[in-house]
Amino acid sequence: QVQLVESGGGVVQPGRSLRLSCVASGFTFSSYGMYWVRQAPGEGLEWVAYISHPGSNQYYADSLKGRFTISRDNSRNTLYLQMNSLRAEDTAVYYCAKPTAGSPPKELDYWGQGTLVTVSS
Amino acid sequence: DIQLTQSPSFLSASVGDRVTITCRASQGISSYLAWYQQKPGKAPKLLIYAASTLQSGVPSRFSGSGSGTEFTLTINSLQPEDFATYYCQQLNNYPLTFGGGTKVEIK
Repeated sequence: QVQLVESGGGVVQPGRSLRLSCVASGFTFSSYGMYWVRQAPGEGLEWVAYISHPGSNQYYADSLKGRFTISRDNSRNTLYLQMNSLRAEDTAVYYCAKPTAGSPPKELDYWGQGTLVTVSS
Repeated sequence: DIQLTQSPSFLSASVGDRVTITCRASQGISSYLAWYQQKPGKAPKLLIYAASTLQSGVPSRFSGSGSGTEFTLTINSLQPEDFATYYCQQLNNYPLTFGGGTKVEIK
């Protein structure tokens, strides 16, 4: 069965960096583009980033202004999100998500359990 | 960027009611729209894609319709397990966006 397990969240000071990981299993990871979506406490969902299956194309939410970088290691079935210059407004649960098959962008049929990032001094 | 406006943002309903949630896009997105259900402390769950196609395993009381800029999610005969927050998402182009959500609570 498909599993997505995020890790790397925690409490970090403003201006610092953090890298999230998402280990995938139960499907051919290298064949799927992958997504990060976040949700601030008590708020709605916010799409963060997408990376194509070979890793050659990335798209980001405008609000991130180059601070975040999505990457992947297909040999390790792992998706990453490097977050730099963190701000209080980046505090959220971060989900990795797998799309359905087909040409992107596609709807998200599997989600991880999420990892909480808290940006606070 | 394409903005999605959901209405209402909150609704109170009873078990057995028929509920309709609307999602309006700031520009035409054909049928590139998905609906998700989220319960507290859980990841979202895909309900409907391509505006009207029911995801495998989702009860048939859920249905979606619309194209272009206006879409609806309908829940026929609301069940206790349906009380949750619902989100639409456009998949027409990047950056992908979600609607603000509709919280369905028990009356």
